[in-house]
Amino acid sequence: QLQLQESGPGLVKPSETLSLTCTVSGGSISSSSFYWGWIRQPPGKGLEWIGNIYYSGSTYYNPSLKSRVTISVDTSKNQFSLKLSSVTAADTAVYYCARGRAVGATPNYYFDYWGQGTLVTVSS
Amino acid sequence: SYELTQPPSVSVSPGQTARITCSGDALPKQYAYWYQQKPGQAPVLVIYKDIERPSGIPERFSGSSSGTTVTLTISGVQAEDEAGYYCQSTDTSGTVVFGGGTKLTVL
Repeated sequence: QLQLQESGPGLVKPSETLSLTCTVSGGSISSSSFYWGWIRQPPGKGLEWIGNIYYSGSTYYNPSLKSRVTISVDTSKNQFSLKLSSVTAADTAVYYCARGRAVGATPNYYFDYWGQGTLVTVSS
Repeated sequence: SYELTQPPSVSVSPGQTARITCSGDALPKQYAYWYQQKPGQAPVLVIYKDIERPSGIPERFSGSSSGTTVTLTISGVQAEDEAGYYCQSTDTSGTVVFGGGTKLTVL
């Protein structure tokens, strides 16, 4: 059974960089069938897609966050990571990593396995 | 930017049918997906490619599509179905978009 687990600091200071890692177990991150994504959810609010990465390193970002986001993959560790720079209180959220699947010629993604999520608070 | 519009809340009595809609201009061309999220838990995929149900999801969950609107239908609603439901799709440039979410209350 595929499992994803987020890890990283739960508290980040304003203007600093948020860094999270997702460790994948029960399956290979190098599979050509899947993408790997980050999604966040501010407390009491809805879901927001941050971006996806393919095992080859190709990345796809939410235009609204693109200038601050970097997603990378480490196939040797079966992990992928998120960095979000210049954070503010508005970046306080539960951050989820998830396995994505693409459908069709025009990339149409959905997420079939999710991590449990990790709360990151931005505060001094 | 592309948006998916859902009603904030839907209420039904146990045993009745709940219908949650999601509207978006690109939905005639792009598949929609539905997730169930209970408090404190990660979302769970309940419908993919408009109408398909993943293994392990009860048959009372079904999806449909008509023009710019997709609908999640829960037949014979049970108390355990009380949750938030989110639709999701992708715009024509490949950006993943979620609807604002619908809180389903079982009266």
